Amino acid sequence: DGGITQSPKYLFRKEGQNVTLSCEQNLNHDAMYWYRQDPGQGLRLIYYSQIVNDFQKGDIAEGYSVSREKKESFPLTVTSAQKNPTAFYLCASSIPTAAGGYTFGSGTRLTVV
Amino acid sequence: AQTVTQSQPEMSVQEAETVTLSCTYDTSESDYYLFWYKQPPSRQMILVIRQEAYKQQNATENRFSVNFQKAAKSFSLKISDSQLGDAAMYFCAYRKLSGNTPLVFGKGTRLSVIA
Repeated sequence: DGGITQSPKYLFRKEGQNVTLSCEQNLNHDAMYWYRQDPGQGLRLIYYSQIVNDFQKGDIAEGYSVSREKKESFPLTVTSAQKNPTAFYLCASSIPTAAGGYTFGSGTRLTVV
Repeated sequence: AQTVTQSQPEMSVQEAETVTLSCTYDTSESDYYLFWYKQPPSRQMILVIRQEAYKQQNATENRFSVNFQKAAKSFSLKISDSQLGDAAMYFCAYRKLSGNTPLVFGKGTRLSVIA
């Protein structure tokens, strides 16, 4: 069955370290997205990519980086420049029509220790 | 920029009763899509219902229906015959009509269902 796989489910990071969150989809979707979820803040857009080898900053891109070398993959790196990285991260993908909404991954919980 | 506002951080409903979750949005576009997503304790996001702005008829999916008031930029979700499994965070979201533009989400409403 097609879907989006995020890994790992839980991730612990020491302060000052970079970590990469994986997001893979086999839905043949062109667009992929990364959101951050904090209590009481809803989902805030970090980065998105509408096509391979292209991506745009979202509302809270500082301290994060992404790449889109393959259609199926959109990894997110949380760098040491991100001052408060502890959060729940959601990856999503969509078809080229707005009516489709998103297909979401199951999320990664990142904790700084 | 488009914004989505959910003014009720928390709501509760008795099992089998009806509850309405509020959502307002701000946009200068005339055509767009609106969505309600459910996030249960598993944290998996589930699409509940969608509404095309150019359709006057309110969308319905089983026990879930919306009240879409385009002029007022209001998009409320009504859950009828509430069940324990409806307990979750509910997010309202907006999307422009064109292309793969990102969804804009509200901050969510946490719904509790009381047995």
